[in-house]
Amino acid sequence: GAGVSQSPSNKVTEKGKDVELRCDPISGHTALYWYRQSLGQGLEFLIYFQGNSAPDKSGLPSDRFSAERTGGSVSTLTIQRTQQEDSAVYLCASRLGFGEQYFGPGTRLTVT
Amino acid sequence: AQTVTQSQPEMSVQEAETVTLSCTYDTSESDYYLFWYKQPPSRQMILVIRQEAYKQQNATENRFSVNFQKAAKSFSLKISDSQLGDAAMYFCAYLYSGGGADGLTFGKGTHLIIQP
Repeated sequence: GAGVSQSPSNKVTEKGKDVELRCDPISGHTALYWYRQSLGQGLEFLIYFQGNSAPDKSGLPSDRFSAERTGGSVSTLTIQRTQQEDSAVYLCASRLGFGEQYFGPGTRLTVT
Repeated sequence: AQTVTQSQPEMSVQEAETVTLSCTYDTSESDYYLFWYKQPPSRQMILVIRQEAYKQQNATENRFSVNFQKAAKSFSLKISDSQLGDAAMYFCAYLYSGGGADGLTFGKGTHLIIQP
């Protein structure tokens, strides 16, 4: 079966531009997570969705970051007015029930 | 808040030998999960092994086993008969089991090198 997929695989953008990162979870998985992996900060939890419930936004690093999940499936992470410190790998994971989290291959974002 | 510490930024082992990766954590909770994830250069995070805190028995998955010391808040990973394919970054991670709203808390990782 298909795993978690993310697109694009790599994204290069200019400082100040907006970017959208997409995550397709494993079909039927109710929970979805976004993480950021950077050299300076390591792996950080960003946001969590459980089904159609309102997300827990407490981990988002600034108000330039937002995320939504459409119909309890696909999720997009949007970064507005990108800054160089936003450069990182953004990882998505999904989970069924209270099982393990399955990770996607990530999107490498480079802000120039 | 919980923290996870991996004190070995890099480890090297000869192929077919055994290596142990260290992890300590800090939490005020009594019910939680601990994990070891492997991340090869492809960036894909792969679950290696999982331990429920309420279980006294150490988890084992083929060549991978853990030494879970709850009182000491220690969770080390032992890899036996190391293979070239084991080369990767290894991350120790904590998850509070009281609810799914929290994401995983990761350590900084250990880069494992396998010498042929």
